[in-house]
Amino acid sequence: NAGVTQTPKFQVLKTGQSMTLQCAQDMNHNSMYWYRQDPGMGLRLIYYSASEGTTDKGEVPNGYNVSRLNKREFSLRLESAAPSQTSVYFCASSEWIVTGSTYEQYFGPGTRLTVT
Amino acid sequence: ILNVEQSPQSLHVQEGDSTNFTCSFPSSNFYALHWYRWETAKSPEALFVMTLNGDEKKKGRISATLNTKEGYSYLYIKGSQPEDSATYLCAFLGNMYSGGGADGLTFGKGTHLIIQP
Repeated sequence: NAGVTQTPKFQVLKTGQSMTLQCAQDMNHNSMYWYRQDPGMGLRLIYYSASEGTTDKGEVPNGYNVSRLNKREFSLRLESAAPSQTSVYFCASSEWIVTGSTYEQYFGPGTRLTVT
Repeated sequence: ILNVEQSPQSLHVQEGDSTNFTCSFPSSNFYALHWYRWETAKSPEALFVMTLNGDEKKKGRISATLNTKEGYSYLYIKGSQPEDSATYLCAFLGNMYSGGGADGLTFGKGTHLIIQP
C-alpha cells in the first residue's frame, strides 16, 4: 500500500499564478485534510473533508479552495498564489469518527511550495 | 483558535538519559489528544491517541500520560537513543457532534529533541 501520496513534491510559482496540489490515499479512509507547515507555526489546518462530497474550512482557509473528487482524492487549489503561501503542504487521511471511537491521521510526504 | 502549547521548544539529551516533555491543551470540550513523531524530511507518524483521563500508553521506550481535567499530557522517553531524535508533536481534538464525522487536529508547535551520543 502506498498510503497517502502527494504531487508534486516541489513547486515554484510566480505571484498570481494558480496551481492544484493533488492528494490520494489508498486506505479507504473517509476523512481527508490539508495542512500547511511554516517555521515556528507548527501544522495548521487549511481545509478538511469528513467524507466524499463534504468540505469544511479549517484555521487558515483564505486563498485556498478544495475539491473532494472521490473517496480517494482531495485536491487543494491556489487560485492566485501569494508569497505568504510559501510553505510545506501536507495532506492527511483518517478513519471516520463515530462517538466513542478514536482515530489517527496518516500523512503524505508533503509538497514544498515557493511563491516568488 | 485553540491554544495547544508544548514545552520545551527544544531539548538536548545525552544518549542513555531519560527525558520528558509537556503538552498543555484546553481542559474543556476534550475529545482526544494525539502524539506524533516527526523525523526531519519525513512525514509525522502517530505514536499515541489518548482519550480517557488518566490514560497511560506505552510503545517500547516511549510512554505518555493524560490529564484531561487539568489539560496536560506528558511524553516520556526512557534511555534515549540517537534514533529518538525528532520533533514530537501533540495535537488536540475537541468535542464533536454525536453524529460522527471528522475534524482537524489543532497541533502544538512541537518539541525538537536532539540526542547527543
